[in-house]
Amino acid sequence: GESVGLHLPTLSVQEGDNSIINCAYSNSASDYFIWYKQESGKGPQFIIDIRSNMDKRQGQRVTVLLNKTVKHLSLQIAATQPGDSAVYFCADRNRGSQGNLIFGKGTKLSVKP
Amino acid sequence: EPEVTQTPSHQVTQMGQEVILRCVPISNHLYFYWYRQILGQKVEFLVSFYNNEISEKSEIFDDQFSVERPDGSNFTLKIRSTKLEDSAMYFCASSESGAWDEQFFGPGTRLTVL
Repeated sequence: GESVGLHLPTLSVQEGDNSIINCAYSNSASDYFIWYKQESGKGPQFIIDIRSNMDKRQGQRVTVLLNKTVKHLSLQIAATQPGDSAVYFCADRNRGSQGNLIFGKGTKLSVKP
Repeated sequence: EPEVTQTPSHQVTQMGQEVILRCVPISNHLYFYWYRQILGQKVEFLVSFYNNEISEKSEIFDDQFSVERPDGSNFTLKIRSTKLEDSAMYFCASSESGAWDEQFFGPGTRLTVL
């Protein structure tokens, strides 16, 4: 992630629609990427990860796409539900690191019923 | 389901005082981490710990910070002389086997320095 600030990018979607949350990373040496969900007052919760030798990975209702050429990561949530409302962070890790995660700024997802 | 726990949930302290934040990682995990999150900002890495020693630390983790695994279950973060800018949520995390493993985060301790 890059700059930080008090105002998070926000995404508002209708319940049942698909959501796409984007993230840019800057470190060419990153070899592992993770998406976390953080609900108010709680710690980050793992959603899905992807290694740099892949460009797509699917989980339950979620898909992560990795474009190393432009250093871009996206999280797609299918059939978004009210329980998906949270702040979503991407994180990456340096090759050779023991787990030092570099978190992005976060995107606040709001789901309208 | 096993989870990481942290105590206290909220700690209020005076500037210059020492605080100890406590974490109980998941029992079979070997890698432990501390992160912090200043209100409204992103989560920042502080330190990782494996085999009773620090593996990596960030620039934030200066001489005022220390970590310890005093027994087989607890993992602590000590701030020797707190500053106003130390006010943040502090998250402990653990993973089973390090680099490629999912890190499980605790609920956090909110530290308020007055």
